[in-house]
Amino acid sequence: GEDVEQSLFLSVREGDSSVINCTYTDSSSTYLYWYKQEPGAGLQLLTYIFSNMDMKQDQRLTVLLNKKDKHLSLRIADTQTGDSAIYFCATSTGSSNTGKLIFGQGTTLQVKP
Amino acid sequence: KAGVTQTPRYLIKTRGQQVTLSCSPISGHRSVSWYQQTPGQGLQFLFEYFSETQRNKGNFPGRFSGRQFSNSRSEMNVSTLELGDSALYLCASSFRQIGTDTQYFGPGTRLTVL
Repeated sequence: GEDVEQSLFLSVREGDSSVINCTYTDSSSTYLYWYKQEPGAGLQLLTYIFSNMDMKQDQRLTVLLNKKDKHLSLRIADTQTGDSAIYFCATSTGSSNTGKLIFGQGTTLQVKP
Repeated sequence: KAGVTQTPRYLIKTRGQQVTLSCSPISGHRSVSWYQQTPGQGLQFLFEYFSETQRNKGNFPGRFSGRQFSNSRSEMNVSTLELGDSALYLCASSFRQIGTDTQYFGPGTRLTVL
């Protein structure tokens, strides 16, 4: 079935780069998303990548996609304390746009000053 | 452009009661999806509405239902509340067209069942 896995916790120093990893099982995933959730808030869309792309860069964010291994990563350059949050990887499947996203468990990013 | 709005933001109910949550999508978006977020199960898809029709449904009991109005606003209803229904309920809206299905989320409604 459809499954998305993430590591649960990552701690980095302010100014370092953070890399959050995600693996998924559904090979028909067409779009892959990264969302950020701060305490008490909804999900904020950070970026997304289409499955025929290998990489996408958006300011401090770089998304890498290895479709063969079904592995997605989010790199945050120059991580700041304001980046502390939970980061969710999500996939959507097929071309029919079912309106359904499959989410990983979320990775808690802790940024130490 | 205003984002997705959800009302109410917080709700406290007792077991056996029913509750209705509301979601107003981003202007121009015709699809609304609902998700339940709990510490144990994470984010789980409830259902999606497009053009006033339920297009997809997750694996939740029939106590969970929804509807969409002609202005794309959506409501979800949970009847006969159970303690396990305590969760953050998130809705998301999108254009829902081939080539892009990016979903934008609201702030959520925090439901507590006592």
